[in-house]
Amino acid sequence: DTGVSQNPRHKITKRGQNVTFRCDPISEHNRLYWYRQTLGQGPEFLTYFQNEAQLEKSRLLSDRFSAERPKGSFSTLEIQRTEQGDSAMYLCASSFQGANTEAFFGQGTRLTVV
Amino acid sequence: EDQVTQSPEALRLQEGESSSLNCSYTVSGLRGLFWYRQDPGKGPEFLFTLYSAGEEKEKERLKATITKKESFLHITAPKPEDSATYLCAVQVRSYIPTFGRGTSLIVHP
Repeated sequence: DTGVSQNPRHKITKRGQNVTFRCDPISEHNRLYWYRQTLGQGPEFLTYFQNEAQLEKSRLLSDRFSAERPKGSFSTLEIQRTEQGDSAMYLCASSFQGANTEAFFGQGTRLTVV
Repeated sequence: EDQVTQSPEALRLQEGESSSLNCSYTVSGLRGLFWYRQDPGKGPEFLFTLYSAGEEKEKERLKATITKKESFLHITAPKPEDSATYLCAVQVRSYIPTFGRGTSLIVHP
């Protein structure tokens, strides 16, 4: 296992289209996080899974965003009816369950909405 | 509300010119503080975890320290390949890392 894998690396879509991103975490990592990052900003938290349970969602996550982690393995993040403001880098991270454990990030999916 | 503030926003150094990056935090119940390096167009790369005041971690030219209110990332004799954005994140009760905006470091040869 070489780390967290995200696909696709880049996505260009037209406004109003739906997009789905996939994240494969490091095997045996129970926790999985999605973040969004725009230029010049730090990663902003979107949502968090422990195994298959989605335990927390940011208030930033509108109804157009949905995330799943079936069977506690890979995760998908779907954005419906994309808007230009959704253009950003979407980052996935995973970590072991337990106190004070660091998260390891994938390379991200760069979304451009035109 | 938990706050993480990094300074400076940007830093330019000459090769070999040592300096420090700051991460100030106001949180309740800190579980851990993390430093990451991020290259343009890539995901953050984990560097260090610090748990309590007085702790120090080192890796090559980087040394991270922490007090009850802030953490420093010291860069000794930097090289151009150390150019990157350095991110600080804190983890509190919910195990969700909260990030600062980062410090963009450029090291000129």
